[in-house]
Amino acid sequence: NAGVTQTPKFQVLKTGQSMTLQCAQDMNHEYMSWYRQDPGMGLRLIHYSVGAGITDQGEVPNGYNVSRSTTEDFPLRLLSAAPSQTSVYFCASSWDGELFFGEGSRLTVL
Amino acid sequence: EDKVVQSPLSLVVHEGDTVTLNCSYEVTNFRSLLWYKQGKKAPTFLFMLTSSGIEKKSGRLSSILDKKELFSILNITATQTGDSAIYLCAVDRTTGNQFYFGTGTSLTVIP
Repeated sequence: NAGVTQTPKFQVLKTGQSMTLQCAQDMNHEYMSWYRQDPGMGLRLIHYSVGAGITDQGEVPNGYNVSRSTTEDFPLRLLSAAPSQTSVYFCASSWDGELFFGEGSRLTVL
Repeated sequence: EDKVVQSPLSLVVHEGDTVTLNCSYEVTNFRSLLWYKQGKKAPTFLFMLTSSGIEKKSGRLSSILDKKELFSILNITATQTGDSAIYLCAVDRTTGNQFYFGTGTSLTVIP
């Protein structure tokens, strides 16, 4: 059982480049979410989805887009990367009140 | 404004010590409070608390919730170096954005 799978694990971008962080879960969870984690800031919610076709903004949505075309996949898109988006990103799904996290993606924007 | 506040922000103890981590919250539509441990990778689940006064226990870790005073504590007895991690508290809400995290407590256990 793979759980929540994130790719890539590491990525270096130049300012202005675009990229997509992939997230897939095989547990048939309706709720999925993206967090970023910065030193001293805890986990901050970027976007979340309560089911296919439904997405909503979290605390820090600016600069990020998401879509949810299937229950399994919830990609996070950076359209024009900025150094302020250097962070560790976690995708998570939820069932019965518990969050299940992916391994994280470390993104550096130069 | 909804908030989850953890204290202390960081803590350094010696092996064998007992530590208490705190989490207070002001969140609408509260459903449950969760504790996670984060080592070098993703957070891993420790406890889910929904009822006041009922202690959850797992080995040397235990946690309790006070829904009247809006806080939870996480206790770790006989600490070991493997307990060194960031401990995250999160509140699950019944509507909208479900999970709201605190900033975490960084625990370092010295041999």
